[in-house]
Amino acid sequence: SYELTQPLSVSVALGQTARITCGGNNIGSKNVHWYQQKPGQAPVLVIYRDSNRPSGIPERFSGSNSGNTATLTISRAQAGDEADYYCQVWDSSTAWVFGGGTKLTVL
Amino acid sequence: EVQLVESGGGLVQPGGSLRLSCAASGFTFSSYSMNWVRQAPGKGLEWVSYISSSSSTIYYADSVKGRFTISRDNAKNSLYLQMNSLRAEDTAVYYCARDRRSSGYDYWGQGTLVTVSS
Repeated sequence: SYELTQPLSVSVALGQTARITCGGNNIGSKNVHWYQQKPGQAPVLVIYRDSNRPSGIPERFSGSNSGNTATLTISRAQAGDEADYYCQVWDSSTAWVFGGGTKLTVL
Repeated sequence: EVQLVESGGGLVQPGGSLRLSCAASGFTFSSYSMNWVRQAPGKGLEWVSYISSSSSTIYYADSVKGRFTISRDNAKNSLYLQMNSLRAEDTAVYYCARDRRSSGYDYWGQGTLVTVSS
């Protein structure tokens, strides 16, 4: 079965750039989606198909995907960006797969 | 406005059954695949099941295969999850989510809590 690996936590200073990685075998060949989840709320799609932002998502959120690692980048991090972030892919053998999630702390 | 509203959660004993529903509105339900995703307390997201727009294709996570059944009624704009032989480890908030396949899940419900305990 296909697996996605994320760091448990990432910290970033206010106003700086945060990078959250998502590792998977040849993930660069798949479409990667990213979700933000704040406590007590449903997840929200922030990046789809590697690097596309849904309407209403700030330009500060961007994504890339190559080789065995996809990356969600949050520029000029704000306190409101503190949340859990999950990557997701579709795999032909496993169907939908989520990464374990990364807790982003803004210092 | 797209809305997904889950219902049917509650407290059930181990070995028991529960049926979750997800009422969809604000879009052409019959045109979209749908999913159930769950989140155990303090844990990450776990995909549970997928159903295509016409119900012709269905997938399950290994953890629920043989115990859970996903279905939909396009005439009623509703998605369902029949959960049998429930275990303590099935305790979670269950979300329904609209699937855009190559573009992820663009809408989620607010979730319904299922607690399996004696």
